[in-house]
Amino acid sequence: QVTLKESGPALVKPTQTLTLTCTFSGFSLSTNKMRVSWIRQPPGKALEWLARIDWDDDKFYNTSLKTRLTISKDTSKNQVVLTMTNMDPVDTATYYCARMKSGGEGFDYWGQGTLVTVSS
Amino acid sequence: QSALTQPASVSGSPRQSITISCTGSRSDVGGYNYVSWYQQHPGEAPKLMIYDVNKRPSGVSNRFSGSKSGDTASLTISGLQAEDEADYYCCSYAGNIAFYVFGTGTKVTVL
Repeated sequence: QVTLKESGPALVKPTQTLTLTCTFSGFSLSTNKMRVSWIRQPPGKALEWLARIDWDDDKFYNTSLKTRLTISKDTSKNQVVLTMTNMDPVDTATYYCARMKSGGEGFDYWGQGTLVTVSS
Repeated sequence: QSALTQPASVSGSPRQSITISCTGSRSDVGGYNYVSWYQQHPGEAPKLMIYDVNKRPSGVSNRFSGSKSGDTASLTISGLQAEDEADYYCCSYAGNIAFYVFGTGTKVTVL
């Protein structure tokens, strides 16, 4: 059974750095072709892809946010970590981690999401 | 990279069929057979309904089907049911620069 769960602060101040952790089970990120992405959704708005990390530690970022994002993994802990620097109120959103389908392009399992509010 | 364009809302009566469009460009939808569709009920995480344009994950009803023509992808829901009322998002792979682009979202209402 594949599960993912996001954790991190619910509230951050402007200019601070956000660190989110995705803890998963039911698969291993050391398995060939396995990939995990972060996706966010501002309240009432559309989804936005943020970053992806692959089984071989390749990393990919949303071009518009690349300078602010860092994605990493701890295979032994079954975790993927996303950091986003210089947070702004427009970054207020529900942040999801999602596994990417092996042998296809689609996000097949999602975490429940964690709402992050940026406010002073 | 701009978001893919979807109609804001689509509605239909029970047992009818509806189609949601997702328009992009040659850089995303038109350039790759990597369009996926997601269903999202209020307060819940999105659920994968279609991947690689027209493939259904295990467990997804065959009432959901996907297709693509040029720069526009489509999701068709046949035999519309009350439980299909939700927001739907398309997503396309967009190459090694933009990677993944989501659509603007469509609210489906069952009349």
